[in-house]
Amino acid sequence: QVQLMQSGAEVRKPGASVEVSCRASGYNFSRFGVAWVRQAPGQGPEWMGWISGYNGNTNYAQNFQGRLTMTIDKSTSKVFMELRGLRSDDTAVYYCARDGSRGSSDFWGQGTLVTVSS
Amino acid sequence: DIQMTQFPSSLSASVGDGVTITCRTSQSVRTYLNWYQQKPGKAPNLLIYDASSLQGGLPSRFSGSGSGTDFTLTISSLEPEDSATYYCQQSSSTPRTFGQGTKLEIK
Repeated sequence: QVQLMQSGAEVRKPGASVEVSCRASGYNFSRFGVAWVRQAPGQGPEWMGWISGYNGNTNYAQNFQGRLTMTIDKSTSKVFMELRGLRSDDTAVYYCARDGSRGSSDFWGQGTLVTVSS
Repeated sequence: DIQMTQFPSSLSASVGDGVTITCRTSQSVRTYLNWYQQKPGKAPNLLIYDASSLQGGLPSRFSGSGSGTDFTLTISSLEPEDSATYYCQQSSSTPRTFGQGTKLEIK
């Protein structure tokens, strides 16, 4: 069965960086892209960007340009999301999600809480 | 960016009732419109993609309709487990924006 398993919770100080990993299993990694979506406490989801599982091509939301990098490791079926220059309003649960039909997200990771606090 | 307007922001209904949630987009997204259900502490769960296609394994009481800029999610014959927050999302262009959510309470 399709599963996306994310790395554990992180605490960072303002200005630091964080990397969250997402290990995919149960499907052909190269055939599907992966999106990253975050959700601040009490807020709706926010789409951050997308990476191809085939060639690592990326598409980032303008809000994160310059601070966000997504990469893949096809040998381990892992996707990585690095966010730099962290601010307190980056505190959120970060999800990876597989691209489904017509750009939907059909399978999601369990989420990784990133807390930014001095 | 495409703006999403979802309403109502909350509603309350009884087991067995039917409810409709509306999502409006600031420009046409054709049928690139998805609906998710989210329960507290859990990741969103895809219900409907391509405006009206039911994700596999889900009960037929969930249905979606619409095209262009106006869409609806209908839940017929509510069950207690339908208590959740529902989000629409457009996937016509990036960023794939989400609506603000509709919190459904089952009385």
